[in-house]
Amino acid sequence: DAGVIQSPRHEVTEMGQEVTLRCKPISGHDYLFWYRQTMMRGLELLIYFNNNVPIDDSGMPEDRFSAKMPNASFSTLKIQPSEPRDSAVYFCASSRTGWGTEAFFGQGTRLTVV
Amino acid sequence: SQQGEEDPQALSIQEGENATMNCSYKTSINNLQWYRQNSGRGLVHLILIRSNEREKHSGRLRVTLDTSKKSSSLLITASRAADTASYFCATNAGNMLTFGGGTRLMVKP
Repeated sequence: DAGVIQSPRHEVTEMGQEVTLRCKPISGHDYLFWYRQTMMRGLELLIYFNNNVPIDDSGMPEDRFSAKMPNASFSTLKIQPSEPRDSAVYFCASSRTGWGTEAFFGQGTRLTVV
Repeated sequence: SQQGEEDPQALSIQEGENATMNCSYKTSINNLQWYRQNSGRGLVHLILIRSNEREKHSGRLRVTLDTSKKSSSLLITASRAADTASYFCATNAGNMLTFGGGTRLMVKP
């Protein structure tokens, strides 16, 4: 398996624009997580899915953030409109059975909003 | 807020020396996990220790868990330059996996 695949690796966008980050989890993993990493706040869990259903989105900072998982092999994280403070590295991770097992992380998307 | 807090925040050692990183947390946990992150890369899982375990080994890694003190330690023996990375502990409590701020380890050749 190629692991968790995220795209794009880097994204530079202007404030106010819509940004869509994409993730392909490892086949057979039932859980998918979206994390954000910044120097100030470290790694923060934004939302996670179990069997394509959003379970906990309490970490999503604002209504500008939304995430979907239309099928077991694809998820998106959308920011609309984007703001400079959204600049961070966004990671997608998947695991087989949730919190009791290891999570496999993608390489991340470095987002810069100017 | 971060459940786990690593100590020290940064550590610099010579190749061949041992590196010890500590993690303290606040609430009861189901398990504790250690991850490594190389610069500009994603996190890689190293080891998972359950709340009823006290020690676990994996190659040059040794993890201990003291639930009475709510602390864990990661020991890397005979360090190599390739071990240079940030190391994070992550605590699983309820339906959450919360990461600490990490320890930046530099191993000098």
